[in-house]
Amino acid sequence: SYVLTQPPSVSVAPGETASITCGGNNIGSKSVHWYQQRPGQAPVVVIYYDRDRPSGIPDRFSDSYSGSTATLTISRVEAGDEADYYCQVWDHESEHVVFGGGTKLTVL
Amino acid sequence: QVHLVQSGAEVRKPGASVRVSCTVSGYTLTELSMHWVRQAPGKGLEWMGGFDPENLETIYAQKFQGRVTMTEDTSTDTAYMELSSLTSEDTAVYYCATVQQWLYGFWGQGTLVTVSS
Repeated sequence: SYVLTQPPSVSVAPGETASITCGGNNIGSKSVHWYQQRPGQAPVVVIYYDRDRPSGIPDRFSDSYSGSTATLTISRVEAGDEADYYCQVWDHESEHVVFGGGTKLTVL
Repeated sequence: QVHLVQSGAEVRKPGASVRVSCTVSGYTLTELSMHWVRQAPGKGLEWMGGFDPENLETIYAQKFQGRVTMTEDTSTDTAYMELSSLTSEDTAVYYCATVQQWLYGFWGQGTLVTVSS
């Protein structure tokens, strides 16, 4: 089955740039979506179809690809960005939705 | 705007079944594709299954095959997820979420299911 691998945690100081990776075989051939989940709340999409942002999501959120890795980049990190972040794809081969294990972003 | 309201928390004993509901407003259920995702305490998101809008059928994660049933009542715009043969490992928050081109745009508030003897 298809697997997406994320680091368990990332820490960054306010104002700095956070990079959260999502590794998967041939991930560049799939549309990756990114979700933010604050404690006690349902997830919210922050990046979809590889680069689009829903209204209300600041342009500090962006993503990129390199090889087998997609990366969510949060520029000029703010305290309010502290949350868990998940990547997600649809794997046509297994006909399964796949979520990464999640990354806890801590703002120091 | 789609609004999803889920049923309240449930407590079940091991071996029992649970049914969680998800009522849609703002749209009709026939206009949406509904999926279910769960999250164990302190753990990540886990896809359980849902309606595949491409093949027009309900699909289930292999892990839950034979133990989960997802249904819909279009007369009340309510989706249901029933999970049977519960164990303590099924203790989790269960979310319904609408999917469009495999993107989850709207989520319910979540329903905590606790399995305990």
